[in-house]
Amino acid sequence: DARVTQTPRHKVTEMGQEVTMRCQPILGHNTVFWYRQTMMQGLELLAYFRNRAPLDDSGMPKDRFSAEMPDATLATLKIQPSEPRDSAVYFCASGLVGGTFYTFGSGTRLTVV
Amino acid sequence: QQQVKQSPQSLIVQKGGISIINCAYENTAFDYFPWYQQFPGKGPALLIAIRPDVSEKKEGRFTISFNKSAKQFSLHIMDSQPGDSATYFCAASLNLDMRFGAGTRLTVKP
Repeated sequence: DARVTQTPRHKVTEMGQEVTMRCQPILGHNTVFWYRQTMMQGLELLAYFRNRAPLDDSGMPKDRFSAEMPDATLATLKIQPSEPRDSAVYFCASGLVGGTFYTFGSGTRLTVV
Repeated sequence: QQQVKQSPQSLIVQKGGISIINCAYENTAFDYFPWYQQFPGKGPALLIAIRPDVSEKKEGRFTISFNKSAKQFSLHIMDSQPGDSATYFCAASLNLDMRFGAGTRLTVKP
């Protein structure tokens, strides 16, 4: 059963600290998405990659957020420095160009205190 | 700019009743309309989807109705069960560029 794996599942950190979230997309999928989910904003698209190249990161606060795909099996989302307003659940999803839908991971619940 | 509008925000239905969630989209280029179901602590999972060349798709108790001229589509859950209690997201997509609605929290009371 192919799945998108996200780590860690939960993260509590102090304001100002660096946070790194990791995602292992489904093997063979060439498109990776990062979403943030909050009660107020719902699902927000932060960034997405195709064949490891960033296609759209317009939803991401550039001053503190960065997203990368160092290789086809790993995507990272980094927040530095973290702020309480970054508290949310961050989802990674992967899909295949030519396909119609993508698969979400179980998310990383981030709490910044 | 919100490209997919979803309503209602929350919905309470009695067991055995029909749950109806509505969505409207703006961009006529969208060519795929999925519904995702999300349980607490989990990521959204694909539930059912439709292409704009059909007006209805049914899978078990779940049915999508699609009105291309009105740019609207809806999810109907027949014989709603407590296990259907979850958040439902509609979406509209073109080449995996997917725009989500704000979500509907469905509660099915036993």
